[in-house]
Amino acid sequence: DIVMTQSPSSLAVSAGETVTINCKSSQSLLYSGNQKNYLAWYQQKPGQSPKLLIYWASTRQSGVPDRFIGSGSGTDFTLTISSVQAEDLAIYYCQHYYDTPYTFGAGTKLELK
Amino acid sequence: QVQLQQSGSELVKPGSSVKISCKASGYTFASYDMHWVKQQPGNGLEWIGWIYPVNGNTKYNQKFNGKATLTADKSSSTAYMQLSSLTSEDSAVYFCAPQVHGLFAYWGQGTLVTVSS
Repeated sequence: DIVMTQSPSSLAVSAGETVTINCKSSQSLLYSGNQKNYLAWYQQKPGQSPKLLIYWASTRQSGVPDRFIGSGSGTDFTLTISSVQAEDLAIYYCQHYYDTPYTFGAGTKLELK
Repeated sequence: QVQLQQSGSELVKPGSSVKISCKASGYTFASYDMHWVKQQPGNGLEWIGWIYPVNGNTKYNQKFNGKATLTADKSSSTAYMQLSSLTSEDSAVYFCAPQVHGLFAYWGQGTLVTVSS
């Protein structure tokens, strides 16, 4: 199984700051057949379902603000949130969908400083 | 628009089974794998498996072999997950999510299963 290691586990931020969340996979998520990275990022708020933010490692889902930026390739990926807003306080998960079992990172909780 | 309506919360006894449902609308139900994900209280997300409604083919996370059984009814666009031999470790919120064009853009609201005597 592919192991997804996410860091940090929590992050205290002030509104307006830029934050970076890291996600490392135990094997490459880059499929040579289409040169796509099978990596997604989700946001989950308390009592809600996960919300897809980023797919193919760097493609923003429709309706997601452009302050959310996904980057990386192979085994190392990053979610950057520029100018954090109060509404961004949530838990963020990375997930690979390269092969089953699809696994998630342990999550990063974004909190107010 | 795509909607996934899951069945309500369940309070069940240890050793029993429970079957939860996920009714889909707004897309061609039979054309996409339906996945299920587990989230224990305060914990992260765990992929359980998928079912392809067209032919009922399934794939499970080995951890859930024997625990979860996925089925689907094309006539009602509803996917089901049965959990058996329940223990406290099965107390969790369970989500359904179709993999449409490779993506998990749509999720059910979740079904809380509480295992308690």
